[in-house]
Amino acid sequence: GESVGLHLPTLSVQEGDNSIINCAYSNSASDYFIWYKQESGKGPQFIIDIRSNMDKRQGQRVTVLLNKTVKHLSLQIAATQPGDSAVYFCADTGPRGSARQLTFGSGTQLTVLP
Amino acid sequence: NAGVTQTPKFRVLKTGQSMTLLCAQDMNHEYMYWYRQDPGMGLRLIHYSVGEGTTAKGEVPDGYNVSRLKKQNFLLGLESAAPSQTSVYFCASRASGGKETQYFGPGTRLLVL
Repeated sequence: GESVGLHLPTLSVQEGDNSIINCAYSNSASDYFIWYKQESGKGPQFIIDIRSNMDKRQGQRVTVLLNKTVKHLSLQIAATQPGDSAVYFCADTGPRGSARQLTFGSGTQLTVLP
Repeated sequence: NAGVTQTPKFRVLKTGQSMTLLCAQDMNHEYMYWYRQDPGMGLRLIHYSVGEGTTAKGEVPDGYNVSRLKKQNFLLGLESAAPSQTSVYFCASRASGGKETQYFGPGTRLLVL
């Protein structure tokens, strides 16, 4: 079936640097995408979302970019902090009108180095 | 407002035993979901519900049953546990219409011996 995947399983960055986490999706009918953060032993936590009619959306220290041409998402974290260390997942909710069950990628482990 | 809660937090079962995982949400959400997460993988949908009294199969439904007798609760049952069901189980809920963001519980870690 359709799937959402990530390019890299791990990413290490220096504290204070910017982080970029990438995600590829395959369902061209999807119109809504979400980034989640999962800390060890906890459930996924919503970070930011974006609809397919947008190219970019900014939150607090985070930006999501959507390139529909190549079916690619990225999550940018500015001034990465130790508390940002976690696994990051992108998820695809499928086309409008569906039950909106999430299809998750396998995740990227972000490690922030002191 | 507790959000999404799950009971129990951790459980060990022997092969063939049964158990029920409870998910509760206090946000008056219509939709509820059960996922499993295996090591190094993303979450996979087991079953979901679009409202009280309704259930539907997800990606990996075999070996599980669910019930949604009350809007705020979504139960996941294992009738005869197998080692392959060792996993971390997450429940999620979301509102109908508008925002489709799902909110997750803290998870239940299940070990089947």
